[in-house]
Amino acid sequence: AQSVTQLGSHVSVSEGALVLLRCNYSSSVPPYLFWYVQYPNQGLQLLLKYTSAATLVKGINGFEAEFKKSETSFHLTKPSAHMSDAAEYFCAVNNAGNMLTFGGGTRLMVKP
Amino acid sequence: DAGITQSPRHKVTETGTPVTLRCHQTENHRYMYWYRQDPGHGLRLIHYSYGVKDTDKGEVSDGYSVSRSKTEDFLLTLESATSSQTSVYFCAISERQGAAYGYTFGSGTRLTVV
Repeated sequence: AQSVTQLGSHVSVSEGALVLLRCNYSSSVPPYLFWYVQYPNQGLQLLLKYTSAATLVKGINGFEAEFKKSETSFHLTKPSAHMSDAAEYFCAVNNAGNMLTFGGGTRLMVKP
Repeated sequence: DAGITQSPRHKVTETGTPVTLRCHQTENHRYMYWYRQDPGHGLRLIHYSYGVKDTDKGEVSDGYSVSRSKTEDFLLTLESATSSQTSVYFCAISERQGAAYGYTFGSGTRLTVV
């Protein structure tokens, strides 16, 4: 079975600082990987996805993620945090049944 | 998302009562999913549907049942609600099978069992 681990349930950064949210996956086959964002009282929105076309994936709102097979990682980054980036972020991987399996989530807080 | 709506948005119910949550889509997508969201657990799949009257269990299906009599509606029923089922429930839809296509999520239903 495939799984996802998000390191750090809470991450706090200052406005303008680098955002780094960590995601490691476990998979016996090449995975599809996703990052979703959830704003308060809303559903999940797709930020970006990796489907083997390119290892560096660019998403919405200035976010990007790099697939590193050797490290089994798919970390999410943004060069400069904005107050509006405060939300919960979920990494997800497809599983053997082609269903999304989610990590536990990371809540990003942005300090002024 | 305008193409998928969940109802009710909030519900408080008593232990032992049946509860039905509704997911309605206007996208004509074949695949529909029910997830629950709990702190520290992310989202966990309860049940999913791959067509009208075609459903299957997810990883946390105990205590839940589903029905899909029309393409646009996917119902989740808690036969006899328990406090452990207090959670936020999300419906999702997908045009095709295979996670490469991603899912579209509803806004969620917050269920409290007292």
